[in-house]
Amino acid sequence: AQKVTQAQTEISVVEKEDVTLDCVYETRDTTYYLFWYKQPPSGELVFLIRRNSFDEQNEISGRYSWNFQKSTSSFNFTITASQVVDSAVYFCALSEGDILTGGGNKLTFGTGTQLKVEL
Amino acid sequence: EAGVTQFPSHSVIEKGQTVTLRCDPISGHDNLYWYRRVMGKEIKFLLHFVKESKQDESGMPNNRFLAERTGGTYSTLKVQPAELEDSGVYFCASSQDRLGRRNFNEQFFGPGTRLTVL
Repeated sequence: AQKVTQAQTEISVVEKEDVTLDCVYETRDTTYYLFWYKQPPSGELVFLIRRNSFDEQNEISGRYSWNFQKSTSSFNFTITASQVVDSAVYFCALSEGDILTGGGNKLTFGTGTQLKVEL
Repeated sequence: EAGVTQFPSHSVIEKGQTVTLRCDPISGHDNLYWYRRVMGKEIKFLLHFVKESKQDESGMPNNRFLAERTGGTYSTLKVQPAELEDSGVYFCASSQDRLGRRNFNEQFFGPGTRLTVL
C-alpha cells in the first residue's frame, strides 16, 4: 500500500526566510513517481514538479528546490527567500507506475502543509 | 487552452438530497480522475476513467456515489442520497493518453467543488 506523510500541518515564516516542507512516502513498487502540488487560495491544484524513482538528482527551479532521497524515502521541498505569494497549501503525492507504458495512475496524497508567509 | 473546469464551485444541500457534480477535462485528455478532500485530511482518489470506461473505481466510498462519463468527454459524479460525511471538496483532474509522453503522468486539476451537506 502507498502512503504519503506530511508531518507539518502548518508553517508560518516571515518573508525572505527559507522554508522546507517535509514529505515522507511509503511504497512497495520499485517504479514510482513523486509530485508536489500547490493549492493557492483560489482552490485549484497547481503542478510544481514530478520525479521518477530512478532519478535522485536534486532539482532547482528559481526559488524552489527539491531534495529526493530514496534512502530515507523523502522528497522534501525548499522555498528560498519566501514571498507572500508563496502562501498556500502544498501537497506531496505519489503514483506507482510503469515508465514504459506511461501514466494514468492514481495519485496518493499527503494531508498537505499550510504555508503562511507574512510581511 | 482551457483548463479543467468544474461545476458548481459550491453546493450546499441537506442530508438526503441528491447532488450532481460536473467536470469538463482538458480537450483531448482521455484520462479523467475524481478525488475528494474531507476537511483537514488528505486528498483521496475516488475513480479513474479512460475515455468512457471506468479504469479504477477502488476509491468510491459506497453505492451512493455514481460516476459517469458518457461519450468520453465530460463526467458527472452523483451523490444520492447525500450524507453529512460526504461534505468536502471534490476535485477532478485529467491527463493525456498513456502514450502522450510530453505531459507524462501529469494530472491537471480543476478548482474543485465544495460540497456541504447539512
